Amino acid sequence: AQSVAQPEDQVNVAEGNPLTVKCTYSVSGNPYLFWYVQYPNRGLQFLLKYITGDNLVKGSYGFEAEFNKSQTSFHLKKPSALVSDSALYFCAVRGAGGYNKLIFGAGTRLAVHP
Amino acid sequence: GAVVSQHPSWVICKSGTSVKIECRSLDFQATTMFWYRQFPKQSLMLMATSNEGSKATYEQGVEKDKFLINHASLTLSTLTVTSAHPEDSSFYICSAKPGTDNYGYTFGSGTRLTVV
Repeated sequence: AQSVAQPEDQVNVAEGNPLTVKCTYSVSGNPYLFWYVQYPNRGLQFLLKYITGDNLVKGSYGFEAEFNKSQTSFHLKKPSALVSDSALYFCAVRGAGGYNKLIFGAGTRLAVHP
Repeated sequence: GAVVSQHPSWVICKSGTSVKIECRSLDFQATTMFWYRQFPKQSLMLMATSNEGSKATYEQGVEKDKFLINHASLTLSTLTVTSAHPEDSSFYICSAKPGTDNYGYTFGSGTRLTVV
């Protein structure tokens, strides 16, 4: 079965410092991986996805993620965090089967301190 | 880019009444729509998947008679919470995927349902 794990409930980082939000996956077949961000009482905003190609994926708002097949990881990164990046981040994998539903990790709350 | 509109953004209803939530794809045809429920500080739990013109496929443990899903057109899906109870209070989010993009999942802004 397809699944993703986000091992950290919360990540704290100082503004201006680099940030990493971790995600590992378990899939049968090719992994199709996504990162979304959620602000309070809002839906999910798409950040980036890995389908195929370069292992380093660049996305919205300066975020990027590195696909690592040997470590089955897809960590989200940003070189310099902003206070406005504080939000809930979800990693997701596209499920197998007819409808290809997205399967989400538990989420990681990112807190960027001034 | 693709936009999904979800209404209402919040609703308060009395126990025993029904509430309808709409999810519209504004600039694309959504072959498949997904309905999620999110509890405070938790992840998204998929409730059901609907294909236009077909009956929805519900996840295990989700009462299909309580959460009625209709996907009557390629741009509109509705979730009706019937005979709502306080335990149905939650944040409901829809997502739509066009038939032309197997990786293009767009989410609505969510509906906060409070049953009193």
